[in-house]
Amino acid sequence: KAGVTQTPRYLIKTRGQQVTLSCSPISGHRSVSWYQQTPGQGLQFLFEYFSETQRNKGNFPGRFSGRQFSNSRSEMNVSTLELGDSALYLCASSLVLAEKDTQYFGPGTRLTVL
Amino acid sequence: AQSVTQPDIHITVSEGASLELRCNYSYGATPYLFWYVQSPGQGLQLLLKYFSGDTLVQGIKGFEAEFKRSQSSFNLRKPSVHWSDAAEYFCAVLTGFQKLVFGTGTRLLVSP
Repeated sequence: KAGVTQTPRYLIKTRGQQVTLSCSPISGHRSVSWYQQTPGQGLQFLFEYFSETQRNKGNFPGRFSGRQFSNSRSEMNVSTLELGDSALYLCASSLVLAEKDTQYFGPGTRLTVL
Repeated sequence: AQSVTQPDIHITVSEGASLELRCNYSYGATPYLFWYVQSPGQGLQLLLKYFSGDTLVQGIKGFEAEFKRSQSSFNLRKPSVHWSDAAEYFCAVLTGFQKLVFGTGTRLLVSP
């Protein structure tokens, strides 16, 4: 079974631009979570989607948004990019048979903001 | 608030020696705990997890972890480290709706 895939793997943008990152979960997984990883702040939770609904959100500004499609694929968007948005963005999927379940991570998208 | 502490930023171990990485958590309810490993430029790979039951859990690559509620700890161990184990290790606790709270990570260096 294929793992979590994220596209693109690398992105370079300039301040003020916007960016969209994509995540395809493991087949059959219905929950997708997004995390930001930086050297200074570590791994931080952005949001989680299940059945096209955002169920949980981390402490990030409104410039960070996401959505999930009916096939469970998810996208996250960052508008008006700032230098501090440079990070590795990780997506994780889980089956969610019960309330809590194991998350499996993709390889990440490395975003560099110049 | 939920939190995870990994007190060791870096650890160096000789190849073949044993390893223990420390993890302490703060969580009001029954914790669901995980250890992940990250190689440079890669995503996170699940090593093992604790949901309930036996407090000693076995994972992949010869790793194990022991849950100790009285100490709020979930330390990761391996009896004999291989050079390929050099990576960064993250402990995490699962909170509501699939939100993982991670520790700051421990970078493992393996010396020959």
